[in-house]
Amino acid sequence: ETGVTQSPTHLIKTRGQQVTLRCSSQSGHNTVSWYQQALGQGPQFIFQYYREEENGRGNFPPRFSGLQFPNYSSELNVNALELDDSALYLCASSPEAGNYGYTFGSGTRLTVV
Amino acid sequence: TQLLEQSPQFLSIQEGENLTVYCNSSSVFSSLQWYRQEPGEGPVLLVTVVTGGEVKKLKRLTFQFGDARKDSSLHITAAQPGDTGLYLCAGAWSNSGYALNFGKGTSLLVTP
Repeated sequence: ETGVTQSPTHLIKTRGQQVTLRCSSQSGHNTVSWYQQALGQGPQFIFQYYREEENGRGNFPPRFSGLQFPNYSSELNVNALELDDSALYLCASSPEAGNYGYTFGSGTRLTVV
Repeated sequence: TQLLEQSPQFLSIQEGENLTVYCNSSSVFSSLQWYRQEPGEGPVLLVTVVTGGEVKKLKRLTFQFGDARKDSSLHITAAQPGDTGLYLCAGAWSNSGYALNFGKGTSLLVTP
């Protein structure tokens, strides 16, 4: 079975631009969550989708938005990029929204200049 | 905001030594999960503990969930250089869809 795949792997954007990051969940997984990991920190929860509905959100502003598609793949959109948005963005999937553990992708490294 | 406190933040030991990493919170979690992350990669799940007082073993790694489900520990016996990495604990809450709240991590270096 394939794991979680994220694209692109690296991205450089200018402050004020918009970016879309993509994630394909592991086969059979209907729950996808997104995390932001700054250098030297643990991942911070952005939001989670369960069967195409958002079912949890962390302390991130509305310019962070997302989507989950019928095949359970997902997108993370960030508008009006700021320098502090530079980070590793991780996508993770789980078989269900429960205590099952998550499979993480390798992440997208976003640099905002 | 990190609701989970991990200690120590950094640990450098020699091959063959034992070590314990702690994860503490004032919150009660539905489950506590431990992950290991290597540079440039996403975290990899090691174990999920659900029941208070639960102990799970994974080869030389022993994980324990506190009785009150607010804290956990990871003990590594006879550490090896291959154990080097960032160890992350993460708590899941049912009221946030079981998404994970991570600690800052413990960076472990095991030298031969």
